[in-house]
Amino acid sequence: NAGVTQTPKFQVLKTGQSMTLQCAQDMNHNSMYWYRQDPGMGLRLIYYSASEGTTDKGEVPNGYNVSRLNKREFSLRLESAAPSQTSVYFCAILLTHNYGYTFGSGTRLTVV
Amino acid sequence: QKEVEQNSGPLSVPEGAIASLNCTYSDRGSQSFFWYRQYSGKSPELIMFIYSNGDKEDGRFTAQLNKASQYVSLLIRDSQPSDSATYLCAVNVGGGADGLTFGKGTHLIIQP
Repeated sequence: NAGVTQTPKFQVLKTGQSMTLQCAQDMNHNSMYWYRQDPGMGLRLIYYSASEGTTDKGEVPNGYNVSRLNKREFSLRLESAAPSQTSVYFCAILLTHNYGYTFGSGTRLTVV
Repeated sequence: QKEVEQNSGPLSVPEGAIASLNCTYSDRGSQSFFWYRQYSGKSPELIMFIYSNGDKEDGRFTAQLNKASQYVSLLIRDSQPSDSATYLCAVNVGGGADGLTFGKGTHLIIQP
């Protein structure tokens, strides 16, 4: 997953706690994405940022906020975690030469 | 509503045989199509992309696109045990930065 770095890799939260998932890229691409992946549900888009300074909601934005801090970094924040947010979270960047993604290695989040 | 449908499997194929994975999509405006491979506990990895009707070959992999039937397939020739994984079909509807829509994936098992 060279080029897209996600932290942390694992996290356990208690219901109601907050946390921020970090994503950074060194590939100088404009568009960045946050997905969650749940068994039987596939990958679902939470938020995306087409360029620095812009963010847009995806399919499942409720309970999340995002910040595009600069061109390199795109963070996902859970203000008050709920068990329904237990999932694997992936950050991705859009490759302009083929319009596919490169994914980060993922964050496995458990909310108890 | 953008939808991408895949048979969840598992699809079991003998080693050395051809594995055939199928995907249908609902939006006729879809412009680019992707196949990702995901090993258990890992992030998705792009293995093929296709934009035009017909076949595209890359090593043991062939992607096939039929826009009239809204159908995309992936053929894996000379299947190896290392091909055992979940294969995700993804579609970029607008061709822009608003994200890919993923199917739920097909679990492929190559039997030695």
